[in-house]
Amino acid sequence: AQSVSQHNHHVILSEAASLELGCNYSYGGTVNLFWYVQYPGQHLQLLLKYFSGDPLVKGIKGFEAEFIKSKFSFNLRKPSVQWSDTAEYFCAVADFGNEKLTFGTGTRLTIIP
Amino acid sequence: DTAVSQTPKYLVTQMGNDKSIKCEQNLGHDTMYWYKQDSKKFLKIMFSYNNKELIINETVPNRFSPKSPDKAHLNLHINSLELGDSAVYFCASSNAGTFSHTRNTEAFFGQGTRLTVV
Repeated sequence: AQSVSQHNHHVILSEAASLELGCNYSYGGTVNLFWYVQYPGQHLQLLLKYFSGDPLVKGIKGFEAEFIKSKFSFNLRKPSVQWSDTAEYFCAVADFGNEKLTFGTGTRLTIIP
Repeated sequence: DTAVSQTPKYLVTQMGNDKSIKCEQNLGHDTMYWYKQDSKKFLKIMFSYNNKELIINETVPNRFSPKSPDKAHLNLHINSLELGDSAVYFCASSNAGTFSHTRNTEAFFGQGTRLTVV
């Protein structure tokens, strides 16, 4: 069964710092990849997604992620974070031909003004 | 103009009670899901329905029973509530029966229902 690992449980950064959150998945077949964000007290919202084509995908709010198939990774990046980026970030993977979206355990991001 | 709406938003109840959480989506999606988010923020799928048919049923106690009267609704009924059922339950929907490279799809989530069992 597919599993998703997010090794950074809690990341604390100052404003304007660069961000990279790790995401690795276990099953090596064809996958669809997602990053979701959950702001405090709110529901999950899609940041970006990868289905095919260019492995570097750009999402909302200046976020981007790179799919590296050989490393089973889909790391999230942002060159300069803002205080409003404080949230919980979830990586998710859907196996090709499967309805199930498997989530990682999430990374709490705290931005210090 | 909420895409996926859940009611209630908060639910506090005593152990042993039976309760339901309702979910409706107005996106015209065929597939709906229930996810449970525990106190550590871990999200785990419970059920998935595609066009009113059960597709995914993870290892969930029989006390949890989803019901889909039509493809726009997926309700979750919980019998004999236990303390460990306390969590945030998220409903979601997507516009594909299966995720694939031929369909540019994503899952849309409701705002969640915070269930507290006392």
